[in-house]
Amino acid sequence: AQSVTQLDSQVPVFEEAPVELRCNYSSSVSVYLFWYVQYPNQGLQLLLKYLSGSTLVKGINGFEAEFNKSQTSFHLRKPSVHISDTAEYFCALQTGANNLFFGTGTRLTVIP
Amino acid sequence: DTGVSQDPRHKITKRGQNVTFRCDPISEHNRLYWYRQTLGQGPEFLTYFQNEAQLEKSRLLSDRFSAERPKGSFSTLEIQRTEQGDSAMYLCASSLETANSPLHFGNGTRLTVT
Repeated sequence: AQSVTQLDSQVPVFEEAPVELRCNYSSSVSVYLFWYVQYPNQGLQLLLKYLSGSTLVKGINGFEAEFNKSQTSFHLRKPSVHISDTAEYFCALQTGANNLFFGTGTRLTVIP
Repeated sequence: DTGVSQDPRHKITKRGQNVTFRCDPISEHNRLYWYRQTLGQGPEFLTYFQNEAQLEKSRLLSDRFSAERPKGSFSTLEIQRTEQGDSAMYLCASSLETANSPLHFGNGTRLTVT
């Protein structure tokens, strides 16, 4: 069985400050990991993905994530956030089949 | 690439009524997925198609739910005898067949059952 845990349901952060959104996963097989962002009343947009190779993955909008197999983590980071980054962020994993298993989400609120 | 399109955006229905949602995937994508998202939760997998074949169904997909993709292009999700617990956002996604191709999501259909 697979599972994804997002440890923080809400993260408030001041504009231009750094942010880290935490994600841990559990799986008995190899996984592929993703971060998606969801703006209000919209679908999910892919931020970045880890399939193999370098454990540091860069995505859109200045976000990056680091895959840590020993700690089964895939935390999302941004060095300086903008107001426009306010959204819900979902970590997800994928195994052999293509369907994704999602975490419960982290609401990032950027404070001016 | 016009993206994944879902219709309607919102649907309000009374308990016991049937509803049907439509999803038009990205044209070259042969995989299509349905997810359900309730408030404060991440999306939960319901079912997926490769072309017209329904390859996997979640245990969440009770016998009141049925999904079709008759010609391997658009898909419909029907819920019969709706219940208040069916109130949720229903998301459709599509992808290429190649392994680990990212899923592209539509903006969803928000269902409210009164």
